[in-house]
Amino acid sequence: RKEVEQDPGPFNVPEGATVAFNCTYSNSASQSFFWYRQDCRKEPKLLMSVYSSGNEDGRFTAQLNRASQYISLLIRDSKLSDSATYLCAVNSWGKLQFGAGTQVVVTP
Amino acid sequence: GAGVSQSPSNKVTEKGKDVELRCDPISGHTALYWYRQRLGQGLEFLIYFQGNSAPDKSGLPSDRFSAERTGESVSTLTIQRTQQEDSAVYLCASSLAGDGEQYFGPGTRLTVT
Repeated sequence: RKEVEQDPGPFNVPEGATVAFNCTYSNSASQSFFWYRQDCRKEPKLLMSVYSSGNEDGRFTAQLNRASQYISLLIRDSKLSDSATYLCAVNSWGKLQFGAGTQVVVTP
Repeated sequence: GAGVSQSPSNKVTEKGKDVELRCDPISGHTALYWYRQRLGQGLEFLIYFQGNSAPDKSGLPSDRFSAERTGESVSTLTIQRTQQEDSAVYLCASSLAGDGEQYFGPGTRLTVT
């Protein structure tokens, strides 16, 4: 079993709709969690950290569920420019482990 | 401020040749990571530096791959006797601490012909 798993998608989302997806992790001792965005043929860029109480940054909301060992990302009012692959990253055994990514495609 | 930089941005080499890829992390970042990303695939961890030492080399795919870091700054990833399966984007990232958020450089696109 991989330490960090994501649904690869693609999630096809109409412009203006809401989309949410999860990332599960296996190490219950993980302490830090992040979401990254990666555009085609570009490097990953940090989108947001995920805090225990959940946090919001504009149209993006991240949640952490320690009991079930997953983090989630919700995107409201999707824009065409939100089309990308979203990578989760979880601290595991002293270093960040990355998921393989969830592809989101926002359509007009 | 300046982000992570990598050079060259693109490298085309013949099978069997050696290549060196360079990474300049964000100033003050003690942790440095190398990843490989094949086309359409996820990030593949290669090696992690904390300062000048490499506590985790578990991702290096073979003994043809090596990396070093000097002066707690620049790192070089060397691939000897390149093979076609080495073709990928090699990404470098740095962070303030070993388990903190990582910032990526633009990558080096390596093509082995």
